[in-house]
Amino acid sequence: GENVEQHPSTLSVQEGDSAVIKCTYSDSASNYFPWYKQELGKRPQLIIDIRSNVGEKKDQRIAVTLNKTAKHFSLHITETQPEDSAVYFCAASSSTGNQFYFGTGTSLTVIP
Amino acid sequence: DVKVTQSSRYLVKRTGEKVFLECVQDMDHENMFWYRQDPGLGLRLIYFSYDVKMKEKGDIPEGYSVSREKKERFSLILESASTNQTSMYLCASSQGGGLRSPLHFGNGTRLTVT
Repeated sequence: GENVEQHPSTLSVQEGDSAVIKCTYSDSASNYFPWYKQELGKRPQLIIDIRSNVGEKKDQRIAVTLNKTAKHFSLHITETQPEDSAVYFCAASSSTGNQFYFGTGTSLTVIP
Repeated sequence: DVKVTQSSRYLVKRTGEKVFLECVQDMDHENMFWYRQDPGLGLRLIYFSYDVKMKEKGDIPEGYSVSREKKERFSLILESASTNQTSMYLCASSQGGGLRSPLHFGNGTRLTVT
């Protein structure tokens, strides 16, 4: 089955700096890659996703890039703010789209 | 907005008890999932269902079973709870039909087995 690896496990940045979280996947048939943000005590919520026919997607301060050849994708957060502090999970879907495989999460702390 | 509701936020059960975790979604989603979340291990799939009465094992199905008698409801059952099943349990749903659609999560049930 699919194996998703996520790095780093923890990340601290100063407010206003950028943060980058990287994930790799093993199954070349995976074709949908969502990112979730989980604030303390809350449910994971989708923040951005990308499909395999696209190389990059942006939504305000958040962007995701996908390199299908290398089988890795990354989350970029610019101009970080304290409210960006959370755990971020990457995921890759199975080829059927019915199953998701998650990374182990990155705990991001934005220092004011 | 999709709503996924888990019946309990916190549960405390004794070793050997039978435990039911209930999940209901209101968006007519075909797919429903049960994940377990543990620190440093991320989200691990226990079981999923892509249709009523259908179920598939995930990565860690041992010690668990599921039931999906109605499209909107997906239950996770611990036949005989053990202390190593102390964890946060997350239910999720998504559209089916081969669509690449995201998961929508419930608020989670924190289960403690003593």
